[in-house]
Amino acid sequence: QLQLQESGPGLVKPSETLSLTCTVSGDSFSSSTDYWGWLRQPPGKSLEWIGSISYSGITYYNPSLKSRATISVDMSKNQFSLNLSSVTAADTAMFYCARLLGGTFSDNWSQGTLVTVSS
Amino acid sequence: EIVLTQSPGTLSLSPGERATLSCRASQNVPSSYVAWYQQKPGRAPRLLIYGAFRRATGIPDRFSGSGSGTDFTLTISRLEPEDFAVYYCQQYGSAPLLTFGGGTKVEIK
Repeated sequence: QLQLQESGPGLVKPSETLSLTCTVSGDSFSSSTDYWGWLRQPPGKSLEWIGSISYSGITYYNPSLKSRATISVDMSKNQFSLNLSSVTAADTAMFYCARLLGGTFSDNWSQGTLVTVSS
Repeated sequence: EIVLTQSPGTLSLSPGERATLSCRASQNVPSSYVAWYQQKPGRAPRLLIYGAFRRATGIPDRFSGSGSGTDFTLTISRLEPEDFAVYYCQQYGSAPLLTFGGGTKVEIK
């Protein structure tokens, strides 16, 4: 059974870079059709797709983030990571990593990690 | 960008009643590529429906999806106590760019 688990700091200072890693276990991480994505959900609000990466490293990002997001993959560790630069309080959210079947919808999510941006 | 608008914002119903949730897109969603998720407090979203009407693995048949073009619907035929939650629609017709609706909360009346 596929499992995804995020790791990273729960508190980040304004203007700094938020860094999270998602570790995938229990299933093939090297599927040629699946994408691995990051999504977020501010408190009390809806979901927002941040970006996706394929096992070969092809990336796509939400244009609304204005190039602040970078997603990378480490196949040797079954991990993919998110860096979000120049964060502000508006970036405070629950962050999820997920498998996106064919880069479309997600059938498997992590439990989520709350990241607060505050000095 | 395809914007999704969900209505109503909140639906107050009793167990056993039928729930009808709407998701309207700002433009045609190609191939009816719409998914629906259920989210309970403190939990990650759970996939219910994809391709507008296909139930995900393990989803009870009281959940059904329909629609095409710009109008999509999630119906819960008879609400069970565990169905009270927030529901989100998502379009992937413009994949890899993905967008979600604002959500509909189904609460106990």
